[in-house]
Amino acid sequence: NAGVIQTPRHKVTGKGQEATLWCEPISGHSAVFWYRQTIVQGLEFLTYFRNQAPIDDSGMPKERFSAQMPNQSHSTLKIQSTQPQDSAVYLCASSLASSAETLYFGSGTRLTVL
Amino acid sequence: AQSVTQPDARVTVSEGASLQLRCKYSYFGTPYLFWYVQYPRQGLQLLLKYYPGDPVVQGVNGFEAEFSKSNSSFHLRKASVHWSDWAVYFCAVNSANSGTYQRFGTGTKLQVVP
Repeated sequence: NAGVIQTPRHKVTGKGQEATLWCEPISGHSAVFWYRQTIVQGLEFLTYFRNQAPIDDSGMPKERFSAQMPNQSHSTLKIQSTQPQDSAVYLCASSLASSAETLYFGSGTRLTVL
Repeated sequence: AQSVTQPDARVTVSEGASLQLRCKYSYFGTPYLFWYVQYPRQGLQLLLKYYPGDPVVQGVNGFEAEFSKSNSSFHLRKASVHWSDWAVYFCAVNSANSGTYQRFGTGTKLQVVP
């Protein structure tokens, strides 16, 4: 079991460019979560899918952030027109069926916006 | 709203000494509680979790935690700390409602000195 795989590990973008982050959940897990981690804010919830359907996106900045889960084997987080304040480590996690269970985290993607 | 507070941003202990990391939760009802550990440049890993039942929960690597409803606490303990325990520890709260997400505290950085 390879665990949750996130790519790329590091991404550097210029202000105003687009960034796409990828997540491959553990095979057989039906729930996928995205969190953002910064020194100041800690771990912030972004969005949650179950069986590929969006359950809760209350943490997503509405204008520039979007997430999709086109199939059970991957999810993407897209940030349009990146801003320096978007710089953070973006963590993807999966669980067997719901958020009430253990979350298995990937190693994260460190996004740096210059 | 549900939340957790980790009042200690940093804790320093001597190797071999006992450890307690504090977590206070705010939740209306019966919470599910988790402790995760994050080693440098890695995602979070589960140490232990509490579902309604025995208030003392055993985890990996000698860690345990005790749920207290009267104190709204879920403190993490270890009898003898090892240098490899140097990491950041996060407390999280959720419920049985599968539509919610795990909310994390701001983390406690544990430093182990000789």
